[in-house]
Amino acid sequence: QQQVKQSPQSLIVQKGGISIINCAYENTAFDYFPWYQQFPGKGPALLIAIRPDVSEKKEGRFTISFNKSAKQFSLHIMDSQPGDSATYFCAASPRTVNFNKFYFGSGTKLNVKP
Amino acid sequence: NAGVTQTPKFQVLKTGQSMTLQCAQDMNHNSMYWYRQDPGMGLRLIYYSASEGTTDKGEVPNGYNVSRLNKREFSLRLESAAPSQTSVYFCASSGTPRGGSYEQYFGPGTRLTVT
Repeated sequence: QQQVKQSPQSLIVQKGGISIINCAYENTAFDYFPWYQQFPGKGPALLIAIRPDVSEKKEGRFTISFNKSAKQFSLHIMDSQPGDSATYFCAASPRTVNFNKFYFGSGTKLNVKP
Repeated sequence: NAGVTQTPKFQVLKTGQSMTLQCAQDMNHNSMYWYRQDPGMGLRLIYYSASEGTTDKGEVPNGYNVSRLNKREFSLRLESAAPSQTSVYFCASSGTPRGGSYEQYFGPGTRLTVT
């Protein structure tokens, strides 16, 4: 049973549009929520992350919105570009002493049309 | 500074054969991880090593063994490969916290096919 549910499975957006990917979790012990970006043939790389003490975090065109009461968080990509075409994974981790044990969502394949 | 390296990049095995996937990191990280990635399933943790000398099971450990050879190296062994182990395998490492959290750095992956 997947601990982090991610939707949609795939997404097609026109250049300049907004891409939105959603994730939901049940485990209230989770306290770190990163998003990873993966290009074909490469390993995932950290894009942006949030802790549950804030409701939003923005880095350039990428924003995470976090709703602690609903146990949901989402990634918004503003002004989407063809170079953003990749697979995006949300993840969650409980607090541990010296490392993070991630549970990943199933991934969203984003295609930004020029 | 190569980051996380994995060998081999591709491998084809017959059912019942064994092999070891190698992973090394040069970032002086304490923790290392092995994941498998399957379509529609995301990344699932197989085993992890929180620090040198320790290893623990993740979500899907059956059919695998690991060895944390030293601080740099963490290997994954398939003793008797099965078609269900056809997947892309990623190694990752994490170390110094950034903003209170431990970013994981991933290798380029090993694509394994078991026939």
